[in-house]
Amino acid sequence: DADVTQTPRNRITKTGKRIMLECSQTKGHDRMYWYRQDPGLGLRLIYYSFDVKDINKGEISDGYSVSRQAQAKFSLSLESAIPNQTALYFCATSESGTNKFFGPGTRLTVL
Amino acid sequence: AQSVTQPDIHITVSEGASLELRCNYSYGATPYLFWYVQSPGQGLQLLLKYFSGDTLVQGIKGFEAEFKRSQSSFNLRKPSVHWSDAAEYFCAVDGGFKTIFGAGTRLFVKA
Repeated sequence: DADVTQTPRNRITKTGKRIMLECSQTKGHDRMYWYRQDPGLGLRLIYYSFDVKDINKGEISDGYSVSRQAQAKFSLSLESAIPNQTALYFCATSESGTNKFFGPGTRLTVL
Repeated sequence: AQSVTQPDIHITVSEGASLELRCNYSYGATPYLFWYVQSPGQGLQLLLKYFSGDTLVQGIKGFEAEFKRSQSSFNLRKPSVHWSDAAEYFCAVDGGFKTIFGAGTRLFVKA
């Protein structure tokens, strides 16, 4: 079984719709992250959480919100999706000061 | 400003040939350094990491990388490329909680 799972894996939606992407992990890590990947831009940090009560904005948080429901779950929401949010979204986890473990990604298309 | 530069957007090598992927970084102190690989439709997988000590680090799948402080570089190498190495490779630096990724280098392997 995968250590970091993301649902859905693919999603097509329309402008203005609310979308939630979910992430679950079985690694027992306190730190969780949401990134988006765009061609030629690498991965950019949207939000990160060091524990259930700690949520922080990353470099591109506008238009997104998150919820850390439990140590193992970290959800990303797009309150009103727009076409330039079309991207590949990755959830990741880590222990303090170590490498990150990534989920398989969610491909989101906003029409 | 902190940054990671991967000068080559894509590289094509013949199977069995040697490979070097370049990575340069800008960071105030000695960072943690990583190389990740992303196969099509997959999340990122850690190839290797440098935290301290020996500047030549060995990773999985026969990859190695060398940290050169004077050149602010962390180039990835493999002596003999296999067709299964075709993927996108990301260099990353991490100063604690924030990981900065390069834009990636896509590797094509020809028979």
